[in-house]
Amino acid sequence: EVQLVESGGVVVQPGGSLRLSCAASGFTFDDYAMHWVRQAPGKGLEWVSLISWDGGSTYYADSVKGRFTISRDNSKNSLYLQMNSLRAEDTALYYCAKAGDSSGYYPFDYWGQGTLVTVSS
Amino acid sequence: SYVLTQPPSVSVAPGKTARITCGGNNIGSKSVHWYQQKPGQAPVLVIYYDSDRPSGIPERFSGSNSGNTATLTISRVEAGDEADYYCQVWDSSSDPLVFGGGTKLTVL
Repeated sequence: EVQLVESGGVVVQPGGSLRLSCAASGFTFDDYAMHWVRQAPGKGLEWVSLISWDGGSTYYADSVKGRFTISRDNSKNSLYLQMNSLRAEDTALYYCAKAGDSSGYYPFDYWGQGTLVTVSS
Repeated sequence: SYVLTQPPSVSVAPGKTARITCGGNNIGSKSVHWYQQKPGQAPVLVIYYDSDRPSGIPERFSGSNSGNTATLTISRVEAGDEADYYCQVWDSSSDPLVFGGGTKLTVL
């Protein structure tokens, strides 16, 4: 059974930093690209970032480019999101999602339950 | 970046057909995926590549895509179909992956 378990969400002050983690199991992690998707309270889904199977290719939404960094450790079956210079508008539930292929072009086929990041003073 | 436009809400009586649209410039040239999200739950893929259904998704769910509009059609709507639905495409612009704003389906 595929499982994606996010962690690391907390309350952080504007301008602060945070690192989210996603522990994956139930599939061959290094065969698939992975994404982060967020959802602000009461709002829609917003794609955040994508990393290819080997970490060789990464993509970011304009809203986080230059502030967030996606990475993965295939030896630990883990995905990460380093979030710097956080803003109030980054407040959201952050989902880890598995792509259906190694590059990320296929749709998401599994999602975690999310970890909540709140940016507030 | 590429913009996908969905109606905020659609209402339908049980047993009837619901159609949820997703508008975008020449969206017919792109592959559209649809996700269902029920309250407090993570999204679930219900249609991929315009009209394919993942295993476990009822045949009542279908999709089409042409011109500037993609459509998710839910036939014989049930109370359990009440959820938010999001369309999604891959685009070659600055934001390569885009979601529509979402449509809340209400079953009357």
